[in-house]
Amino acid sequence: AQSVAQPEDQVNVAEGNPLTVKCTYSVSGNPYLFWYVQYPNRGLQFLLKYITGDNLVKGSYGFEAEFNKSQTSFHLKKPSALVSDSALYFCAVRDKGTYKYIFGTGTRLKVLA
Amino acid sequence: GAVVSQHPSWVICKSGTSVKIECRSLDFQATTMFWYRQFPKQSLMLMATSNEGSKATYEQGVEKDKFLINHASLTLSTLTVTSAHPEDSSFYICSARNTGGLINEQFFGPGTRLTVL
Repeated sequence: AQSVAQPEDQVNVAEGNPLTVKCTYSVSGNPYLFWYVQYPNRGLQFLLKYITGDNLVKGSYGFEAEFNKSQTSFHLKKPSALVSDSALYFCAVRDKGTYKYIFGTGTRLKVLA
Repeated sequence: GAVVSQHPSWVICKSGTSVKIECRSLDFQATTMFWYRQFPKQSLMLMATSNEGSKATYEQGVEKDKFLINHASLTLSTLTVTSAHPEDSSFYICSARNTGGLINEQFFGPGTRLTVL
């Protein structure tokens, strides 16, 4: 069965510092991996995805993620955090056949001014 | 980009009543839509897959008679929570799969917060 793990419930980072939100996955075959962000009482906003190709994926709002097959990881990164980046971040894997998403438990990012 | 709307954005109802939530794809056709449920400070859990013109497919543990799903057109799926109880209070999010055009992608709605008193 496919699964996604986000080992950190919360990540705190100072504004201007680089941030990393961790995600590891377990799938058979090549994964379709996604990052979404959720602000309070809002739906999910797409940040980026990895389907195939370059292991470094660049997405919205300056975020990027690196697909690492050997470590089965897809960590989300940003070189310089903004206070407005504070939100709930979900890593997800999508089933290729059914298009169903399996979400991680989410990581709350808090950027401190 | 493609837009998915949900109506209402929030609803409060009394225990025992039924509530209908609509999910619409505004600028594309969606033969498949998905309904998720999110409890406070928890992840999204897939409830069911809604297929246009056919019965929905429910995930294990989801009561199909309680959560009625109708996908009447290529742009509309509805979720009806029947005989709602306080434990049904949750944030319900739909997503719609854009099967047309060059991009086969999926887009999420803004969510509906249901509070059952």
